Amino acid sequence: AQKITQTQPGMFVQEKEAVTLDCTYDTSDPSYGLFWYKQPSSGEMIFLIYQGSYDQQNATEGRYSLNFQKARKSANLVISASQLGDSAMYFCAMRGPLSGGSYIPTFGRGTSLIVHP
Amino acid sequence: DAGVIQSPRHEVTEMGQEVTLRCKPISGHDYLFWYRQTMMRGLELLIYFNNNVPIDDSGMPEDRFSAKMPNASFSTLKIQPSEPRDSAVYFCASSFRTRDGYNEQFFGPGTRLTVL
Repeated sequence: AQKITQTQPGMFVQEKEAVTLDCTYDTSDPSYGLFWYKQPSSGEMIFLIYQGSYDQQNATEGRYSLNFQKARKSANLVISASQLGDSAMYFCAMRGPLSGGSYIPTFGRGTSLIVHP
Repeated sequence: DAGVIQSPRHEVTEMGQEVTLRCKPISGHDYLFWYRQTMMRGLELLIYFNNNVPIDDSGMPEDRFSAKMPNASFSTLKIQPSEPRDSAVYFCASSFRTRDGYNEQFFGPGTRLTVL
């Protein structure tokens, strides 16, 4: 069974500084996808970044980058130059491999990020 | 594009009543997911569909929950009878098929359900 672990329930960062949100995953299959989503206090879920297990390079999307370390089974999200609007819950998620016709998505419990001015 | 549409946005009902949540996925998307989010349990996958066919419903808590997708542009999640412990935010999400399955999911705004 696949599993996502986010060990930091809460993180604080100063505006304009970089912050790393941790995510480790567990799967025995070689094919999977890793995602990060942001959930602001308004409640909507917003997709940030995706990394496929076979992708050679770490994914980047603007100020977001994914530090993908396959051997360690970690997929940490790095937010550069934090902004006040980055304050939100952040969820790491995994799409499992095809198994019996099913690509089960699994979400972590989330990390609450607060950006201080 | 309107994005994923969910209705109602808020629902307050009494224990024992039937509740129906509705979802319109993004046009052209092959996958549709129903999630439930609570403080205690986080974000849980209830069921997901591929091309209108239910693929995995192992997350549906019990027989009181049922989901249908009669066509590519509409899905419902029904709770009958509802109980206070069903109070949660219910999200619908859709995605498009890729070589490896699907990539990012596009979430609707959610339905906040309160069962008294």
